[in-house]
Amino acid sequence: DVKVTQSSRYLVKRTGEKVFLECVQDMDHENMFWYRQDPGLGLRLIYFSYDVKMKEKGDIPEGYSVSREKKERFSLILESASTNQTSMYLCASSLPGGGEETQYFGPGTRLLVL
Amino acid sequence: SQKIEQNSEALNIQEGKTATLTCNYTNYSPAYLQWYRQDPGRGPVFLLLIRENEKEKRKERLKVTFDTTLKQSLFHITASQPADSATYLCALGRGTGFQKLVFGTGTRLLVSP
Repeated sequence: DVKVTQSSRYLVKRTGEKVFLECVQDMDHENMFWYRQDPGLGLRLIYFSYDVKMKEKGDIPEGYSVSREKKERFSLILESASTNQTSMYLCASSLPGGGEETQYFGPGTRLLVL
Repeated sequence: SQKIEQNSEALNIQEGKTATLTCNYTNYSPAYLQWYRQDPGRGPVFLLLIRENEKEKRKERLKVTFDTTLKQSLFHITASQPADSATYLCALGRGTGFQKLVFGTGTRLLVSP
């Protein structure tokens, strides 16, 4: 079974803090994704990566950055957390290919920024 | 702009009945569509994929239809059980270039005993 793990299930941070969310997958997937999920807005793509050290902006990259130094690990960084970044953050991974690949999601990190 | 609509109101049905969830889209030409299940506090889990040239796909008690003329997919769960209670998300993909999915907001299904 594919396993995607996220470093924390719940996080509480202060406004202005630098926040790191870590994601690790164990199936040697090339593609990795970071989403945030908010009520009424659904899943929105923040950043994705199709290879080590490669990254692409998704639909809502503002206020975020990412790092992929190893194939299995994809980190989301909030340089200076703000209250509007309070959300559920979901990491996913998938194999590369013709574009139909299933995405495998982690359990999510619920971040509260005070 | 692209828009994917799923009924935001929860769907309440009795155990044993068939649940039907709808996914409508506009300003989009997907090559395929995926359905995911999400339980509270957890990440989505893949259920089914249907391609634009397929009308219907089945997997056990699940059935998905895809009508590119109506720009709609229907997701059916037959003989529903309380354990089917969850939020169901549809996701559309272009099928070319890098795989990026566009997700709907999901519909919550509640199956009562």
